[in-house]
Amino acid sequence: AQTVTQSQPEMSVQEAETVTLSCTYDTSESDYYLFWYKQPPSRQMILVIRQEAYKQQNATENRFSVNFQKAAKSFSLKISDSQLGDAAMYFCAYSPPRGSGGGADGLTFGKGTHLIIQP
Amino acid sequence: EPEVTQTPSHQVTQMGQEVILRCVPISNHLYFYWYRQILGQKVEFLVSFYNNEISEKSEIFDDQFSVERPDGSNFTLKIRSTKLEDSAMYFCASSGNTRFYGYTFGSGTRLTVV
Repeated sequence: AQTVTQSQPEMSVQEAETVTLSCTYDTSESDYYLFWYKQPPSRQMILVIRQEAYKQQNATENRFSVNFQKAAKSFSLKISDSQLGDAAMYFCAYSPPRGSGGGADGLTFGKGTHLIIQP
Repeated sequence: EPEVTQTPSHQVTQMGQEVILRCVPISNHLYFYWYRQILGQKVEFLVSFYNNEISEKSEIFDDQFSVERPDGSNFTLKIRSTKLEDSAMYFCASSGNTRFYGYTFGSGTRLTVV
């Protein structure tokens, strides 16, 4: 079974600074998807960024970027120019490979990292 | 932007009662899911549903739980006889034919069993 590990229960960063949230995962598959979800106090789950395992290029979405190290099974999230609105729980998630039933299988989540933004 | 809609946002029920949580997935999505998040813990997969049947379920999804897509738009999760430990946030999600675009989550139903 796949596992996702987020080793930082809480991180704190000054507004406008850069912070990196770590995530490691375990899988025997060579193709899969990885996601970072943000959960603000409203508890809505919001997709931040996604990565396909067979793409070497790291995904970027505005101030959010990932460092995907496939061999190390590491998928860290970097938030640049942190803003107060970035304060939330961040969950790393793994999705099974394509061809295993389309979208049939569920996401496996890590335990989350609580990100605090200091003004 | 298309949304996944969940109702109610908060439900309080007595232990032993049946509850039905409702979801309207994104209209052109094909795959539907329920997840659970006990307060302060990680989000856990419960069940996936495709082509009008369950595709996969976790060990959490025991005989107390059932899912249904009764009318082609709604997707429901029923808990037959609620227990205190069923208190949690329940999220519905849907996805299209490719998982790369991720799963769109609803805003959740907070279930409190008293």
